[in-house]
Amino acid sequence: AQSVTQLDSQVPVFEEAPVELRCNYSSSVSVYLFWYVQYPNQGLQLLLKYLSGSTLVKGINGFEAEFNKSQTSFHLRKPSVHISDTAEYFCAVSSSTSGTYKYIFGTGTRLKVLA
Amino acid sequence: GAVVSQHPSWVICKSGTSVKIECRSLDFQATTMFWYRQFPKQSLMLMATSNEGSKATYEQGVEKDKFLINHASLTLSTLTVTSAHPEDSSFYICSARTRGAAINEKLFFGSGTQLSVL
Repeated sequence: AQSVTQLDSQVPVFEEAPVELRCNYSSSVSVYLFWYVQYPNQGLQLLLKYLSGSTLVKGINGFEAEFNKSQTSFHLRKPSVHISDTAEYFCAVSSSTSGTYKYIFGTGTRLKVLA
Repeated sequence: GAVVSQHPSWVICKSGTSVKIECRSLDFQATTMFWYRQFPKQSLMLMATSNEGSKATYEQGVEKDKFLINHASLTLSTLTVTSAHPEDSSFYICSARTRGAAINEKLFFGSGTQLSVL
């Protein structure tokens, strides 16, 4: 069975400061990893994904994440945050079971950017 | 980019009534649609997976007779909450996956439906 753990439920950070949102996963099979952002009362938008290849993945809005297989982590980073980055961020894993991909989401991290 | 339209965005209903939520892929064919439920400050919980033209596969603990899912076409899936009760109040989100076999396909999300049962 797969699982995703987001260690921080809330992360406050000042504007223009760097931020890291942590994500750890467990799975007995190869997985694909994703980060999604959710703004209030909206659906999720894909920030970035790791499928294979380079372990450093760059996404939209200046975010990047690094896949670390030995530590089973996929932490999300941004070198300088903006007020507009305030949102809920979800890490997700997916793998194929009988040809169907299921997505398992973490509990989310609320990023609060302070002026 | 691809768009998934979910309607309504907000619905308030009386206990015992049924509510239908629609999820449409506007500019692509969605072979698979997923329905999620999200409680406040919690993650998305997968309720069911539906493939066009076949019965939905429900996750453990999800009542299939209460949450009816229909995926009659490649662009439309519906979730009907039957005989809704206050504990069914939640944020429901659909997502759609494009046709094809590779994980490279993206998962597109609707904007969600906030259901409040009085």
